[in-house]
Amino acid sequence: GQNIDQPTEMTATEGAIVQINCTYQTSGFNGLFWYQQHAGEAPTFLSYNVLDGLEEKGRFSSFLSRSKGYSYLLLKELQMKDSASYLCAVRDRNSGAGSYQLTFGKGTKLSVIP
Amino acid sequence: GAGVSQSPSNKVTEKGKDVELRCDPISGHTALYWYRQSLGQGLEFLIYFQGNSAPDKSGLPSDRFSAERTGGSVSTLTIQRTQQEDSAVYLCATYTRDRGYTGELFFGEGSRLTVL
Repeated sequence: GQNIDQPTEMTATEGAIVQINCTYQTSGFNGLFWYQQHAGEAPTFLSYNVLDGLEEKGRFSSFLSRSKGYSYLLLKELQMKDSASYLCAVRDRNSGAGSYQLTFGKGTKLSVIP
Repeated sequence: GAGVSQSPSNKVTEKGKDVELRCDPISGHTALYWYRQSLGQGLEFLIYFQGNSAPDKSGLPSDRFSAERTGGSVSTLTIQRTQQEDSAVYLCATYTRDRGYTGELFFGEGSRLTVL
């Protein structure tokens, strides 16, 4: 199985940069994902990392270090609409069932303040 | 349709009743997950279907929960003899491994279940 840890809550100021960390333990790592979830809505895909390094997509970047079991999501030029929960998810090859489980962390609730 | 469709969007039931939740995936998406999200909590994996392979049921919390996927398309999650702790939003998500697969899951809007 997997153990995924991320901070429960964070607060940042509009226009600033915030980094949301995620650590994980897994036996069959096959990719790490970040999703954004606004209150009362379904999660939406932000990023995917399977190799070490930084993936940049507009204001959002995601970093992965497989040897450290560590990832972060970096949000630049924060906007009020970025207030949401950010979910770290790890895909693991479930050798027993022959499937790829995608396990989510509990999410980090980000509040952007003026 | 263009997206993942779930029904009903809201379901209120009495303790002990059975409920069925339906998921219509994006056409051509061979993989389908069911997750459960309790208020303020993360997503809890329930079950995973991939093509014609046997489903991964390792996340189902008890034998009151079951799911099937007919013809590799529509999926139904059934909860028998519902309990109050079953109250949650049940999310369906699908993806395809075709064409530059990134692993993006497409989520439905969820079915909010309230057990009184």
